[in-house]
Amino acid sequence: EIVLTQSPGTLSLSPGERATLSCRASQSVRNNYLAWHQQKPGQAPRLLIHGASSRATGIPDRFSGSGSGTDFTLTISRLEPEDFAVYYCQQYGGSPPTFGQGTRLEIK
Amino acid sequence: EVQLSESGGGLVQSGGSLRLSCAASGLTFSKCVMTWVRLAPGKGLEWVSGISGSGASTSYGDSVKGRFTISRDNSKNTLYLQMNSLRAEDTAVYYCAKVQYYSDSDSYLFDYWGQGTLVTVSS
Repeated sequence: EIVLTQSPGTLSLSPGERATLSCRASQSVRNNYLAWHQQKPGQAPRLLIHGASSRATGIPDRFSGSGSGTDFTLTISRLEPEDFAVYYCQQYGGSPPTFGQGTRLEIK
Repeated sequence: EVQLSESGGGLVQSGGSLRLSCAASGLTFSKCVMTWVRLAPGKGLEWVSGISGSGASTSYGDSVKGRFTISRDNSKNTLYLQMNSLRAEDTAVYYCAKVQYYSDSDSYLFDYWGQGTLVTVSS
């Protein structure tokens, strides 16, 4: 199975700053089938990005995804207070689908 | 608006059984591939099981194969997970999720999630 490694484990930033989250796959992800999900405490996870760079319905354009092959990035251009959460990458280019261990984005 | 609501979690002894339910609304349930995903303490998300819209096709992660059974009742818009022979390592929050199935990779993109239900297995 494809192992996803996210870095950093925790990212401390202030509102208004730019956040860059990384996800590295143990092998190339077919068709760049890579997604990003956001989870806030006590809430359901939410799909943000699919196909490495396509925003899901209703996701603000401050969220963007990039990358291909084995290296992927989620960028939040200017952090809003509601963006502080845990972010997971997920690949669906191989079976079974797998997730990274998460990056916790916290307020500095 | 798609809504998924899990129930049935709780505290159970090692070797015991539990059945989780997930009530769905805001979608044509019988046309949706559905899955269960879990988040164990200190670990990442793990796909557990999936089922086709008709219920005819099911799949399981290696860690639960032979112990867990996924099923659905399309007349009730409800998904189930029967968990038998529970172990301490099954302790987790269990999420119901609607997915998009990708046949070229035989894999799932999770597009809607429930809030989860906590299962605690005591040893």
